[in-house]
Amino acid sequence: GAGVSQSPSNKVTEKGKDVELRCDPISGHTALYWYRQSLGQGLEFLIYFQGNSAPDKSGLPSDRFSAERTGGSVSTLTIQRTQQEDSAVYLCASSLGGGAKNIQYFGAGTRLSVL
Amino acid sequence: SQQGEEDPQALSIQEGENATMNCSYKTSINNLQWYRQNSGRGLVHLILIRSNEREKHSGRLRVTLDTSKKSSSLLITASRAADTASYFCATVLNSGNTGKLIFGQGTTLQVKP
Repeated sequence: GAGVSQSPSNKVTEKGKDVELRCDPISGHTALYWYRQSLGQGLEFLIYFQGNSAPDKSGLPSDRFSAERTGGSVSTLTIQRTQQEDSAVYLCASSLGGGAKNIQYFGAGTRLSVL
Repeated sequence: SQQGEEDPQALSIQEGENATMNCSYKTSINNLQWYRQNSGRGLVHLILIRSNEREKHSGRLRVTLDTSKKSSSLLITASRAADTASYFCATVLNSGNTGKLIFGQGTTLQVKP
């Protein structure tokens, strides 16, 4: 695709339910990042994938959060037993390679609302 | 867990005026980047400045970096109503090799026509 695609664009769920957020990176980009943007915490890094491996998961806030990437392409971020504090915009970005010099291209994000 | 801070938090100017936003950070960096965000959704990369650079230009954008003060500034010259957005600085640290971005709090810019 032309850019990073995220789905759904909006998700409303009830507290305690599980949600899955999807990210389709730019074709050929080996690096993929998840970030979260919330009113209280601003923009925070969650996890980094290089290919299908996640060498940096340091930003995942709790064990309710997990992510995987398959085929070096699509990634899914799963939040189990959602809580109200999980409400945020979840942003995905991809780049040609990991490392400092590669520009990251962002998707439009998924706005998650936990009621 | 934010790397740094930005000021001002909000800025309102008239079209044609210049807008200056500042960013400070805490630890040694590989590079610093500026992003723009419209309507609270996707981020658009504007410019990257490496730690060994002091100034960089791109169109109406001018970025400076002072590593001794751990600070950067973004200048938008001859602003337009379309420049209305939130602007974030983001640093990439020297440690590790993931390229993950650590964002500042952002500056909300309003350009009045």
